[in-house]
Amino acid sequence: DAGVTQSPTHLIKTRGQHVTLRCSPISGHKSVSWYQQVLGQGPQFIFQYYEKEERGRGNFPDRFSARQFPNYSSELNVNALLLGDSALYLCASSLRSNTGELFFGEGSRLTVL
Amino acid sequence: ELKVEQNPLFLSMQEGKNYTIYCNYSTTSDRLYWYRQDPGKSLESLFVLLSNGAVKQEGRLMASLDTKARLSTLHITAAVHDLSATYFCAVDDLTGNNRKLIWGLGTSLAVNP
Repeated sequence: DAGVTQSPTHLIKTRGQHVTLRCSPISGHKSVSWYQQVLGQGPQFIFQYYEKEERGRGNFPDRFSARQFPNYSSELNVNALLLGDSALYLCASSLRSNTGELFFGEGSRLTVL
Repeated sequence: ELKVEQNPLFLSMQEGKNYTIYCNYSTTSDRLYWYRQDPGKSLESLFVLLSNGAVKQEGRLMASLDTKARLSTLHITAAVHDLSATYFCAVDDLTGNNRKLIWGLGTSLAVNP
């Protein structure tokens, strides 16, 4: 079975642009979470979606948005990119909303110039 | 607010030696996870600890959880170079309607011949 897949793996943007990152969870998993990992730090929670509804949001500005589709895949959108948005963006899926192991994808590495 | 602290943040070991990484957290939780991250890569799940007194072992790594002390340890036995990586602990924040992991800063481990 395929694990969590993310695309693109690497991308370079300039300040002010927007970006869309995509995630497909493990088959059968209904919960998708997004984390931002800045170099040298632990991941920071951005969003969780379960059954297509937003369940939680971390301390990120409104420039960050996400959604989950009927097939449980998810998109993370970031508008008006800043240099500080450069990071590894990780998607994680789990079977249920608030229990169970989180399985992470390989991540999307965003560089903002 | 749940906080997770790891120490040490950097660890240089000789092959064959033993060492312990510590993870303290600030509020009640009985779900703790250990992950490994290689440079430029995603997060690999090592251990899931779900109850007080839980102990799990895999190869040269052993993890334990003391929920009363709010402490987890990751013990490395007879280190080998292949264990060089960054190790993160993460704790489930069970407040609110969402599920998010709060992460430590990571312990960067270098095992030298």
